[in-house]
This record gives sequence, structure tokens and C-alpha cells, in this order.
Amino acid sequence: AQKVTQAQTEISVVEKEDVTLDCVYETRDTTYYLFWYKQPPSGELVFLIRRNSFDEQNEISGRYSWNFQKSTSSFNFTITASQVVDSAVYFCALSEAWTGGGNKLTFGTGTQLKVEL
Amino acid sequence: DAMVIQNPRYQVTQFGKPVTLSCSQTLNHNVMYWYQQKSSQAPKLLFHYYDKDFNNEADTPDNFQSRRPNTSFCFLDIRSPGLGDAAMYLCATSRDGLGYTFGSGTRLTVV
Repeated sequence: AQKVTQAQTEISVVEKEDVTLDCVYETRDTTYYLFWYKQPPSGELVFLIRRNSFDEQNEISGRYSWNFQKSTSSFNFTITASQVVDSAVYFCALSEAWTGGGNKLTFGTGTQLKVEL
Repeated sequence: DAMVIQNPRYQVTQFGKPVTLSCSQTLNHNVMYWYQQKSSQAPKLLFHYYDKDFNNEADTPDNFQSRRPNTSFCFLDIRSPGLGDAAMYLCATSRDGLGYTFGSGTRLTVV
């Protein structure tokens, strides 16, 4: 069975600090996808990134960067120079490869990030 | 813009009174999902449609049903809402499970 663990329930930082959100996953599949979503107070889930299991390259998008390490089953997310607008709940999720019958996202429990002035 | 639309954004229903939540998409995705997210919890999959094929999660209560009359629309029916069913309900779509697009959600209150 798939499992995603986000051990950090809540993180508080001061604006402009860097912050890393941890994500550890478990799966028996060799092909899978990992995601990060942002959920602001309004409730919608905003897609941030998708990474497949064969692509271990780190990725940077503006202030966001992701570190994928299969050896430790981790997919961590770093926000550089955090801003108040980054305050939200961040979910890491895992999807097994499509098998012809649909699949599903398994979410971690989320990390509440609070960025204060 | 192609998107996933959920109506209404907020729904208040009475205890035990059937309620229907709707989801529509303009992405022409073949898979549609319904997730339930209770306060401070992760979204939990209730069921999904792969084309017309319905796939129920083993632990989804019988009180929850779904209909997909065509590619664009999917409905979530709660036959007898209880207080424990108050939650955010999220609809999502994907093409063959590659890339998910979520709607803005419907926040259900049961009084």
C-alpha cells in the first residue's frame, strides 16, 4: 500500500527565511509520480509540481525548488526567501502509474506553513 | 480557460436531507474523482470514474453515491447527510491519471 508521510505538522518562519518541507513516501511500484500541492485558506488545491520516479533531477522554479532522492524515498520542497503569500497548507502526494483502470493520489497529512512579517 | 468547475462553492443542508454536489470540466479528461477533505485532514478519495466505469473505494460509506451522465459532468449524491459528513468536497480530473486538475471545492455544512 502507498503511504506519504509529512512529519512537520506546522512550520512558522519569518518572511525572507528559507524553509524546507519534508515528504517521505512508501510504494512497491517502480513507476510512480510524486506531487506537491498548495492549499490556501480558500480551499482549492493548487498544483505545484509533478515528478516521475525515473527523473531524479532536482527542479527549481523561481523561489521554489524540489529535491527528489529515491535512495531515501524523499521528495522535499524548499521555498527560498519566503513571503507572507506562501502561507498555506502544503500537501505531498503519490500516484501509482496508470494501469488502465484509473488511479488515485495518496496524500500526506499536510504541513501548515505560516510566514510572518 | 479549460477548467474544473464545482457548484455551489458553499452548500448548507439539513441533517438527513439528500444533497447533490456537481462538477463539470472543459478539459475532456477521461477520469473524474471525488475527494472528501475534513478539517485539518488530507483529502481522501471517495470514488472515481474511468470513462463510464465506476470505481468505489472500499471504505466509502454507502451514503455516498456518484453519477457521471457524460464526459463533462460528475455528481456526488449524499443520501442522508450526517454531521460527520461536513467537509470540503473536491472534484478532480485527469487524462489517464497523468496530471490532476482540481476544482475549487464545495464546502458542505450540515445543520
